[in-house]
Amino acid sequence: GQQLNQSPQSMFIQEGEDVSMNCTSSSIFNTWLWYKQDPGEGPVLLIALYKAGELTSNGRLTAQFGITRKDSFLNISASIPSDVGIYFCAGQGPYNNNDMRFGAGTRLTVKP
Amino acid sequence: NAGVTQTPKFRILKIGQSMTLQCTQDMNHNYMYWYRQDPGMGLKLIYYSVGAGITDKGEVPNGYNVSRSTTEDFPLRLELAAPSQTSVYFCASSQQGINYGYTFGSGTRLTVV
Repeated sequence: GQQLNQSPQSMFIQEGEDVSMNCTSSSIFNTWLWYKQDPGEGPVLLIALYKAGELTSNGRLTAQFGITRKDSFLNISASIPSDVGIYFCAGQGPYNNNDMRFGAGTRLTVKP
Repeated sequence: NAGVTQTPKFRILKIGQSMTLQCTQDMNHNYMYWYRQDPGMGLKLIYYSVGAGITDKGEVPNGYNVSRSTTEDFPLRLELAAPSQTSVYFCASSQQGINYGYTFGSGTRLTVV
């Protein structure tokens, strides 16, 4: 099956720093999504990307759908303590739009 | 709106016991999903449903069963619990599949001993 490799596994940064994480796949996806999970909660959608090359922002978050359709990155600018959590990439398609595959997550810690 | 509600939040089962994890959504979403999340891993799809009366297997369906008799409810059944089923289970729903993003419940933490 399709495998997503997400890196880094964890990051420890100072408040105010920028963060970058990425996801690569052995095969193409139709859609890339980025979710954030807080402790004891389910993932919450941050950004969805629908087209190769697409660059989308949501406040301090920016994500891109790689031109090869096999990768995506998420940037967080000027991190704040509430950015702490686990960030997951997810890909969907191209054969079954109902089978969304997740990366293993990037655990972000922000030191005040 | 409550969104996606999962019960129970925590449960400990003995090997061989059975149980049903409940999931209900009040957003009139057609699509519903069950995922499991193991420590340090991403979520893996167990079963999904594109509407009442329709269910299909995901990546890791063995040991589980589902039913979808109404739009709102999508229970997940474990018939003979095994230690390998110790995990956190998430139910999710969406309006028309993934392009609209998923709304997740807050999870059920299951331990099989």
